[in-house]
Amino acid sequence: KQEVTQIPAALSVPEGENLVLNCSFTDSAIYNLQWFRQDPGKGLTSLLLIQSSQREQTSGRLNASLDKSSGRSTLYIAASQPGDSATYLCAPRANNAGNMLTFGGGTRLMVKP
Amino acid sequence: DGGITQSPKYLFRKEGQNVTLSCEQNLNHDAMYWYRQDPGQGLRLIYYSQIVNDFQKGDIAEGYSVSREKKESFPLTVTSAQKNPTAFYLCASSPRAPGYTFGSGTRLTVV
Repeated sequence: KQEVTQIPAALSVPEGENLVLNCSFTDSAIYNLQWFRQDPGKGLTSLLLIQSSQREQTSGRLNASLDKSSGRSTLYIAASQPGDSATYLCAPRANNAGNMLTFGGGTRLMVKP
Repeated sequence: DGGITQSPKYLFRKEGQNVTLSCEQNLNHDAMYWYRQDPGQGLRLIYYSQIVNDFQKGDIAEGYSVSREKKESFPLTVTSAQKNPTAFYLCASSPRAPGYTFGSGTRLTVV
């Protein structure tokens, strides 16, 4: 069974810092991996989706990398802003799981002005 | 605009009551999912449906039931058998291609 771990669980930084959020998963036979953002009391918003054949994806100040063989993905946030404050969740989709995702516990990020 | 609508946003349940959470999508997605989220934790899969009139149990299906009579709709019933139903419930849908879309969630509280 796929298990997903996200480190750190919580992070508080001053505005402007570059950040790295880590995600590890136990079953490396994945089809793709998605990073989501969740604001308090809200649903999830998809940020980036990396196919298993890709090494990274970029969207604005966000860059996600994938090392499938070692079971790791990293979300890099450049020049953080207070509006980036949210919980970030990673979710790999395993080859044997239909279209279901397995979620990590998330990293709760606070960016202070 | 296409999307997923969950209702109600907040729901209160008395002990021993069954309640039904609504999830409707107009994205023409084949698959739909229900997840439960507890404070400070990730999402856990309750039920999923990959096609109309078919659904499968997820990791924590006990005390819940679903139906998929229409492609657009996937309601979740929280029964009295669910001993700890207070949580945030999220519905999602996906096409055959990769990518999920989530609703805005329903917060259920037992009173």
